[in-house]
Amino acid sequence: GAGVSQTPSNKVTEKGKYVELRCDPISGHTALYWYRQSLGQGPEFLIYFQGTGAADDSGLPNDRFFAVRPEGSVSTLKIQRTERGDSAVYLCASSRGGGSLDEQFFGPGTRLTVL
Amino acid sequence: RKEVEQDPGPFNVPEGATVAFNCTYSNSASQSFFWYRQDCRKEPKLLMSVYSSGNEDGRFTAQLNRASQYISLLIRDSKLSDSATYLCVVRDSNYQLIWGAGTKLIIKP
Repeated sequence: GAGVSQTPSNKVTEKGKYVELRCDPISGHTALYWYRQSLGQGPEFLIYFQGTGAADDSGLPNDRFFAVRPEGSVSTLKIQRTERGDSAVYLCASSRGGGSLDEQFFGPGTRLTVL
Repeated sequence: RKEVEQDPGPFNVPEGATVAFNCTYSNSASQSFFWYRQDCRKEPKLLMSVYSSGNEDGRFTAQLNRASQYISLLIRDSKLSDSATYLCVVRDSNYQLIWGAGTKLIIKP
C-alpha cells in the first residue's frame, strides 16, 4: 500500500513569496502531523490534525504559517511572506488515530529553500 | 535546557561491535518513548518503542528509567547497514512528539 506522500520534494523560492506544501496521508489515517527539521536537528512539531480540525497548532512559529485539511485527508501547509529562516525540510506524518502508542508514518519531506 | 538531549556523536564503531546510546528527557509527565532511525536525506522511521520493563528486538535493546528520566538503546553485533542517525523521541502529555537532535552512528568495516 502507498505510504505518506509529499509534494513537491524540493521547493526553491525567494524571500517574501508564498508557498504551499502538500501532504497525502496513508488512506484511512485520521491523524496528520506537520513537522519541520533543520540541519543537524530533530523534527520540530508544528501542527496536528484529527480529522478536519487542527487539534493542536501550538508549534506553528507565527501567523505566517497556516495549515488546512478540509476533507480530513490531504493537508496543505501554507507559508506567507517566506523568510530565509524558513528554509528546512518539512515533514508530514500520519497515524491511524491520535493515540499515544499509534505509530506515526512519515513522508519523504519537502526541502524548502528560501533565497 | 533542551527537552530531549542526546550526544550528537558521531560514534565511529567497527563492524561487529556493541554500541550504546543514551538520551535524557526533562518532562517527567512524558507518556511514551521511542527510538527512530533516520538515514541521510530520508524521513525518520520508527525503530522501536521503549517500555518501562525494557524491550528487545533482535540485536536492538531499549531501556527506560523513569526515575532518572533516561532512555538507552543498545545495538549488538553492529552491521554496516546500521549506519544512520538515531533519534530519541518522547511523547508528552499533549501527544506531541518531542525529538532529540539525534546521534550519528558510523559503522566501519
